Amino acid sequence: QVTLRESGPALVKPTQTLTLTCTFSGFSFTTSGVCVSWIRQPPGKALEWLAIIDWDDDKYYSTSLKTRLTISKDTSENQVALTMTNMGPVDTATYYCASGDCDSYNFDHWGQGTLVTVSS
Amino acid sequence: SYAVTQPPAVSVSPGQTASVTCFGDKLGDKYVSWYQQKPGQSPVLVIYQDFKRPSGIPERFSGSNSGNTATLTISATQAVDEADYYCLAWDSNTNYVFGAGTKVTVL
Repeated sequence: QVTLRESGPALVKPTQTLTLTCTFSGFSFTTSGVCVSWIRQPPGKALEWLAIIDWDDDKYYSTSLKTRLTISKDTSENQVALTMTNMGPVDTATYYCASGDCDSYNFDHWGQGTLVTVSS
Repeated sequence: SYAVTQPPAVSVSPGQTASVTCFGDKLGDKYVSWYQQKPGQSPVLVIYQDFKRPSGIPERFSGSNSGNTATLTISATQAVDEADYYCLAWDSNTNYVFGAGTKVTVL
């Protein structure tokens, strides 16, 4: 079955760069049509889509955050990484990775999420 | 940039039908999916490509999308359906955008 697990620091300081890793199983980027995305959710607030990468290494970003985000994949390790620069308190959120069929434009499997707090 | 809007809350009596709407310009021309999120849990896909239901999702969940409005309908609502529901739209310019979520309360 498909599983995804997010990992990374629980606490970062303002202005630092955050790097998160999504490690997955049950599918592979060697399969055409596979997409993995990052989504976040501040405490008590709505989901916000951040970035997506597909099997062909195409990458797309949230228009409001694109200058701060970089998404990448390691096909051999079944991992997707997200870096976000210049972190601030408003970036405190649970960060999820999720997978799906690119052509379906949805996310049918989600990780458990990882809470990142930005504080000095 | 593209945006979709949802009502903040919907209340429904057990056994009745709940309708959650998602509004956006020409939303009917875009793919819409719906996610259920219960407190402390990750979102779960309940409807994709406007009306398709993933395996394991009860038949009481259905969806439609036309004009400027997509609708998630929960028939014969049960207490277990109480959750936040988010619509997600894909737009060729904005890529993915979530609605602000609707809290469905089963009274």
